[in-house]
Amino acid sequence: KAGVTQTPRYLIKTRGQQVTLSCSPISGHRSVSWYQQTPGQGLQFLFEYFSETQRNKGNFPGRFSGRQFSNSRSEMNVSTLELGDSALYLCASSSTGTGISEQFFGPGTRLTVL
Amino acid sequence: GQNIDQPTEMTATEGAIVQINCTYQTSGFNGLFWYQQHAGEAPTFLSYNVLDGLEEKGRFSSFLSRSKGYSYLLLKELQMKDSASYLCAVMDSNYQLIWGAGTKLIIKP
Repeated sequence: KAGVTQTPRYLIKTRGQQVTLSCSPISGHRSVSWYQQTPGQGLQFLFEYFSETQRNKGNFPGRFSGRQFSNSRSEMNVSTLELGDSALYLCASSSTGTGISEQFFGPGTRLTVL
Repeated sequence: GQNIDQPTEMTATEGAIVQINCTYQTSGFNGLFWYQQHAGEAPTFLSYNVLDGLEEKGRFSSFLSRSKGYSYLLLKELQMKDSASYLCAVMDSNYQLIWGAGTKLIIKP
């Protein structure tokens, strides 16, 4: 079974631009969560989608948004990029609706904002 | 607020035993996870505890005390490949995972 895939793996943008990141979960997984990881901060939860509906949202500004498609693939968008948005963005998929299951992580997209 | 605390960094010797502690204060509790993350790679699942006690899985064991808001990950017979960050995460009452900042474990020969 193929793992979680994320594209692109690396991205360099400048302040003020916007970016879209993509995540394809493991086949059959309907839950996709997005995280931001920075050194010393650990994983910060952005949002979780289940069956095309946002089920949970972390404490990030509205510049961060996401969506999920009928095939469970998910995209995350960040508008008006700031220097502080430079981070590793990870997505994770899981199989159950309650979320009490192992999360499988993708390799991440490393975003650098100049 | 919700908070997960773990040591930032630990050093241990190959072949030895190391215990990584995690304390938490969350809104509700639906279980505690440990993940391993090698540098430049994605986190991978190690263990899940929802009841008090010790869960053993090969060289790795995880302990939970819900009354104390405390867990530890015990790694035995350390190998160089165990050098990684170990992430503690608690699932709160909204089934949202709250993550600690991770403990970087350095193994020396």
